[in-house]
Amino acid sequence: GENVEQHPSTLSVQEGDSAVIKCTYSDSASNYFPWYKQELGKRPQLIIDIRSNVGEKKDQRIAVTLNKTAKHFSLHITETQPEDSAVYFCAASTTGNQFYFGTGTSLTVIP
Amino acid sequence: GAVVSQHPSRVICKSGTSVKIECRSLDFQATTMFWYRQFPKKSLMLMATSNEGSKATYEQGVEKDKFLINHASLTLSTLTVTSAHPEDSSFYICSVSTQGGVETQYFGPGTRLLVL
Repeated sequence: GENVEQHPSTLSVQEGDSAVIKCTYSDSASNYFPWYKQELGKRPQLIIDIRSNVGEKKDQRIAVTLNKTAKHFSLHITETQPEDSAVYFCAASTTGNQFYFGTGTSLTVIP
Repeated sequence: GAVVSQHPSRVICKSGTSVKIECRSLDFQATTMFWYRQFPKKSLMLMATSNEGSKATYEQGVEKDKFLINHASLTLSTLTVTSAHPEDSSFYICSVSTQGGVETQYFGPGTRLLVL
């Protein structure tokens, strides 16, 4: 089955700096890659997603890049703010329904 | 996105009792719902895929007789933790899969279960 690895597990950045989280996947059939943000004790919230026919997608301060050849995708957050502090999960989907989640990255933005 | 609710949000029960958790899709008819378990500071672990009108599909290592899933309607799926034990204490989250070309999942707020 699919195996999704996520790095780093923890990340601290100064407010205003950029944060990058990387994920790799193993199944070349995966074609959908969402990113979720989860604040403590709350539900995961979809923040951005990308499909395999696109190499990059941007939404304000958040962007995701996908390299199908290398089987990795990354989340980029620019101009980080304290409210960006949370745990971020990547996921890969092969069937269009079942998601395989990464292990999560705890992001701390230092004011 | 889809609006998903869960009830209860928090439950404490005695060891040996059963606990039912409800997951509702409030604005979307969900043919597929997912149940996850999450330990503190850990990732989401898929327990089972709940299909409306049919038996749930359980992931390897998840006891189907322990975690009973019922998806009787397009808006409601239930997870019953039977004969709960302290090791079942966890955060249980459901999600709804939107289809029709948009394949993402939207999560419920989760249920925190504590078994004493």
